[in-house]
Parts: sequence; C-alpha cells; structure tokens
Amino acid sequence: QVQLVESGGGVVQPGRSLRLSCAASGFTFSRFGMHWVRQAPGKGLEWVALIWYDGSDKYYADSVKGRFTISRDNSKNTLYLQMNSLRAEDTAVYYCARGTTRLKFDYWGQGTLVTVSS
Amino acid sequence: DIQLTQSPSFLSASVGDRVTITCRASQGISSYLAWYQQKPGKAPKLLIYAASTLQSGVPSRFSGSGSGTEFTLTISSLQPEDFATYYCQQLNSYPRITFGQGTRLEIK
Repeated sequence: QVQLVESGGGVVQPGRSLRLSCAASGFTFSRFGMHWVRQAPGKGLEWVALIWYDGSDKYYADSVKGRFTISRDNSKNTLYLQMNSLRAEDTAVYYCARGTTRLKFDYWGQGTLVTVSS
Repeated sequence: DIQLTQSPSFLSASVGDRVTITCRASQGISSYLAWYQQKPGKAPKLLIYAASTLQSGVPSRFSGSGSGTEFTLTISSLQPEDFATYYCQQLNSYPRITFGQGTRLEIK
C-alpha cells in the first residue's frame, strides 16, 4: 500500500535551516509529481511546493520562494524540503503529498511539525 | 491567485442529517476542484476530485457537484465518523494550488 513518511521536523531558531524528508513506498515514486503542504497551528492548509516526477520543474508558493528548495532522489524514493532563513510564520505541520496533475492529492503523509522559535 | 471561499465556516448537525458545504471560486476553475476531510491530528483525506468523482474507498453518502465558480459537497446522511473539517482545493491554476479556509462540522 502507498505510504509516505515525513521526518526531520523539530524546533529551530529564526534564521536557521532545516531539511525535511518524505520516504515513499508502495508505488512507483518516479512517476508522480510530489508536493509539500503545510498547516500552521489551528489554521488551514497552504500549498508550499511542487516538484515534477523527474525533478525537471519546481514551483513554490510566494511565501517561501527564495528560502525553500524542493528536491527528490528517485533512486531512494525520497522527497526533500530544504528550508532556509526560517521565520516564526513558517511554524506548521508539513505534509508531503502525491499529486496527480490538476486532479488530486491522493495520498498524504502523517506530517512533521516544524516550530520556529527563539 | 484564485481565492476559494467556503460556507459555512462552522456547521453543527446531527447524525442522520443531510448537510451541504459550498465552495466559491474567485474566478472560473472549470471542474478542477477537490474536497478533503481532515480529523484532528491527522492528515487530510481525499474525498472527491474533478468536482464530482468519488475517490476509491470513500462512502457513497459523499457527493460533489458544480463547475465554474460554485461547488458543493453533500453528505447525504451524517455518520459519527464524518464529524471533521472539510477543505476544498482548486487545481485549475496548477501548480499555483489554493485551498478554501475550511468548514468545521460538529455534532449538535
């Protein structure tokens, strides 16, 4: 069965960096675009970033552009989110999700909490 | 960016009730709309995509309709496990995807 397992969250000071990982299994990872979506405490869902199935294209929300980098290693079935220059407003649960172009996010991980605080 | 506005933001209903949640888009999005259910502390779960297509494994009491700028999610007969928060999502402007603000459905 399809599984997505995030890791790498934690408490980090403002201005510092953190890298999240999302380990995929149960499907052919290299055939699907992958997304990161975040949810601040008590708030709604915010799309963060997308990477094409082969890594050839990447897209970001304006709120993270220039600070976050999405990448993937198809040989390791793993998605990454490198987060630099973190701000308090980046505090959220970060989910990875499998995407089917313009249709749906059909599988989600359980999420990993990132807290940006001094 | 395309804005999605859900109504109501909060809904109180009883087991067995029929409920409808509306999602309005700030511009036409054809049928590129999905609905998700989220329970506290859990990841969102896909219910409906392409406005009206039921995701595999989702109970048939859930249905979606609409196109253009107005969409609805209907639960025909509420079950105890349906009390959750529901989000709509537009994928028309892919990859600039947006979500509605959510509708919290609670037990009356």
